[in-house]
Amino acid sequence: KQEVTQIPAALSVPEGENLVLNCSFTDSAIYNLQWFRQDPGKGLTSLLLIQSSQREQTSGRLNASLDKSSGRSTLYIAASQPGDSATYLCAVVEEVWAAGNKLTFGGGTRVLVKP
Amino acid sequence: NAGVMQNPRHLVRRRGQEARLRCSPMKGHSHVYWYRQLPEEGLKFMVYLQKENIIDESGMPKERFSAEFPKEGPSILRIQQVVRGDSAAYFCASRGAVETQYFGPGTRLLVL
Repeated sequence: KQEVTQIPAALSVPEGENLVLNCSFTDSAIYNLQWFRQDPGKGLTSLLLIQSSQREQTSGRLNASLDKSSGRSTLYIAASQPGDSATYLCAVVEEVWAAGNKLTFGGGTRVLVKP
Repeated sequence: NAGVMQNPRHLVRRRGQEARLRCSPMKGHSHVYWYRQLPEEGLKFMVYLQKENIIDESGMPKERFSAEFPKEGPSILRIQQVVRGDSAAYFCASRGAVETQYFGPGTRLLVL
């Protein structure tokens, strides 16, 4: 059974510092991996999607890497801002569920960027 | 193009009542997913539907929970005879032909 873990559960950094968020998954047979952002009381916003054949994806200040064989992904947020404060979730679609695109989520990392 | 709509945003029910949660997918999306987020836990998949069909309900509790996505109208997640343990945020997501799922704002269900 696939398990997705995010460590740490919470992170507090001063504004301007780079953020490094970790995600690990137990079964390397994944189809893709996504990073989401969740603001309190709101839904999820997709940040980056990495296909299993890719090593990384970039969007603005965000960069996500994927090491499928070791079961790890890392989300880097450069030059953090208070507006980056949110909970960040990673989720995988396993190969066996590729047709249905069912997501298995980690528990999230709650990020606070202090001005 | 409006995003995924869910209503109500907040729902309060007493134990034993029924809860109906609605999800209108993005325009042109025919795939709908329901996820549940229990307090202090991560999101868990419940059910995946396409128009008029349940494709995967492996995450649905065996009793009291049902879901539908009719040809016309929103997808409905129904919880009969609610119990306190059903209190959670219920999120709907939709997608089109590509893989990215777009999430709605969620319905917060509180069972008294």
